[in-house]
Amino acid sequence: DTAVSQTPKYLVTQMGNDKSIKCEQNLGHDTMYWYKQDSKKFLKIMFSYNNKELIINETVPNRFSPKSPDKAHLNLHINSLELGDSAVYFCASSRVTRGEKLFFGSGTQLSVL
Amino acid sequence: GESVGLHLPTLSVQEGDNSIINCAYSNSASDYFIWYKQESGKGPQFIIDIRSNMDKRQGQRVTVLLNKTVKHLSLQIAATQPGDSAVYFCAENNQKDSWGKLQFGAGTQVVVTP
Repeated sequence: DTAVSQTPKYLVTQMGNDKSIKCEQNLGHDTMYWYKQDSKKFLKIMFSYNNKELIINETVPNRFSPKSPDKAHLNLHINSLELGDSAVYFCASSRVTRGEKLFFGSGTQLSVL
Repeated sequence: GESVGLHLPTLSVQEGDNSIINCAYSNSASDYFIWYKQESGKGPQFIIDIRSNMDKRQGQRVTVLLNKTVKHLSLQIAATQPGDSAVYFCAENNQKDSWGKLQFGAGTQVVVTP
């Protein structure tokens, strides 16, 4: 069983569209995250949820809206996609909120044309 | 072989040799450090972590060294294998002040040659 799974793995879309990425973890963790990895492989945290509550919201355009229906799921919705949104988005989870030993999904490669 | 991280340099290592990947961290208040390995097309995978009350920690074929005086972290891989080819990231966190803000360095590409 995959511990942290996210779908889709690839997402190709036109500028201006709205898209969602889904994430689920079966590790029983309370904290989930979204990270963005740019073309230079730099990983930057976007959001963190603890037991469905938003605890980290970095400087991210409000076109990005995370939603956590329960502590095992954290989805990312992106409105009005722009070229600069092209990146790999990783979902992760951890047992504690202190940001240690994150378990990452396999990533969603988003290409905005 | 030896390399400094943060700008995705490439470290070329011969199979069987030891690798040393270096990382200079930025926040003197950081008290938790972690190394991840990312293979092509996959998510980062945990390798080893260390807290600031330690200066060395060993795992299976890996050793992490922490020098708080110069804010330097290194990952040593013994007897490097082809499966070790990947991008390696160090990350830091100040667990007293942050809620899960694990800050990643830019990564080092390790290429294992036969």
